Amino acid sequence: GAVVSQHPSWVICKSGTSVKIECRSLDFQATTMFWYRQFPKQSLMLMATSNEGSKATYEQGVEKDKFLINHASLTLSTLTVTSAHPEDSSFYICSADTRQGNYGYTFGSGTRLTVV
Amino acid sequence: GESVGLHLPTLSVQEGDNSIINCAYSNSASDYFIWYKQESGKGPQFIIDIRSNMDKRQGQRVTVLLNKTVKHLSLQIAATQPGDSAVYFCAENNGNEKLTFGTGTRLTIIP
Repeated sequence: GAVVSQHPSWVICKSGTSVKIECRSLDFQATTMFWYRQFPKQSLMLMATSNEGSKATYEQGVEKDKFLINHASLTLSTLTVTSAHPEDSSFYICSADTRQGNYGYTFGSGTRLTVV
Repeated sequence: GESVGLHLPTLSVQEGDNSIINCAYSNSASDYFIWYKQESGKGPQFIIDIRSNMDKRQGQRVTVLLNKTVKHLSLQIAATQPGDSAVYFCAENNGNEKLTFGTGTRLTIIP
């Protein structure tokens, strides 16, 4: 089946620094990937749609200058949280559209970001 | 439509019993629905999906029912096992690329 690899699985960073999270499609090409954020005991909220070779599309209320998305190849999308603050601490999850393979949308394992 | 879960509904079921998890969706244009299982600290795991031209679909120990009239989706898990304990999310797609998640339900299987 389709596999989406995400890392790191967890990261702790100091306030004001930047953190990069990688999302790779291992056995398929992903023209489009999606980035979600999930706070404790809450649902997944879509942050942005990452498009290979073009700019990401951000959801309303998501700061594009703070959450930089790069999708330079068909197998890799990255999310960089810039100038992180404690309120950015969350669980970040990427996914890819694998509906053609009858797997729905396939998700990565998530990254727990803690900003101290 | 979009939802933010401030309170996660919970469901406790005795091991071996069947469980039913319900989900209401708001977008009548949604035509594709998926149920996901999420264990603590992990990403969502695909369970089963259904398109709007169907009202029922079965998988291994799971059945999804879709009632478009009342915009309701349910996931039935038969003969529950301890490993079924997790948070279950329904998600909908309205023909574009985006997937919108429901609030989620925490299922606890009691041994």
